[in-house]
Amino acid sequence: EIVLTQSPATLSLSPGERATLSCRASQSVSSYLGWYQQKPGQAPRLLIYDASNRATGIPARFSGSGSGTDFTLTISSLEPEDFAVYYCQQRSNWPRTFGQGTKVEIK
Amino acid sequence: EVQVLESGGGLVQPGGSLRLSCAASGFTFSNYAMSWVRQAPGKGLEWVSLISNSGGNAHYADSVKGRFTISRDNSKNTLFLQMNNLRAEDTAVYYCAKGGYNIYFDPWGQGTVVTVSS
Repeated sequence: EIVLTQSPATLSLSPGERATLSCRASQSVSSYLGWYQQKPGQAPRLLIYDASNRATGIPARFSGSGSGTDFTLTISSLEPEDFAVYYCQQRSNWPRTFGQGTKVEIK
Repeated sequence: EVQVLESGGGLVQPGGSLRLSCAASGFTFSNYAMSWVRQAPGKGLEWVSLISNSGGNAHYADSVKGRFTISRDNSKNTLFLQMNNLRAEDTAVYYCAKGGYNIYFDPWGQGTVVTVSS
């Protein structure tokens, strides 16, 4: 099983600041990594697929990068609606696995 | 609009059974694999199971293998999850999602709550 480790667990930032979230895989997943956003009481929403492609309707302030074992989700300038939990997920191997999540909270 | 909507959750005793359903609309259901993902209270996301577009292939997490069965009815655009021998650790919100094979989970339903408790 591929283990995805996200860091940090919590990121405390102010609106307008830049957020940088990390996801590290226990073995290479090539570029088969996605990012999801989940707000309290809501279902997750796909933000980024295959490491660097924004899903339909996702604002340009969200970007993804990386390949192999190290990946980054960047939010260039935090909007109030961006404070949420973010998960990475790999589709390279079975079972499909998720990281444990990074909470982006208001400082 | 592409949508999936789960139903069938509830309170069940340990060792009991429950069948979840997921109604899909807005896309050609028979063209896509479908998945179940769950989230225990206050915890992260755990992929549970996936079924191919035809229903001919299925995959399961080790934690549910032998107890859960995924199936689909392409004539009714509906996905199912039969859950048997339920345990307390199966308590979670269960989400249905389009995809999981060569695409990611998108979109997700609003979830249905399963509580396993005596």
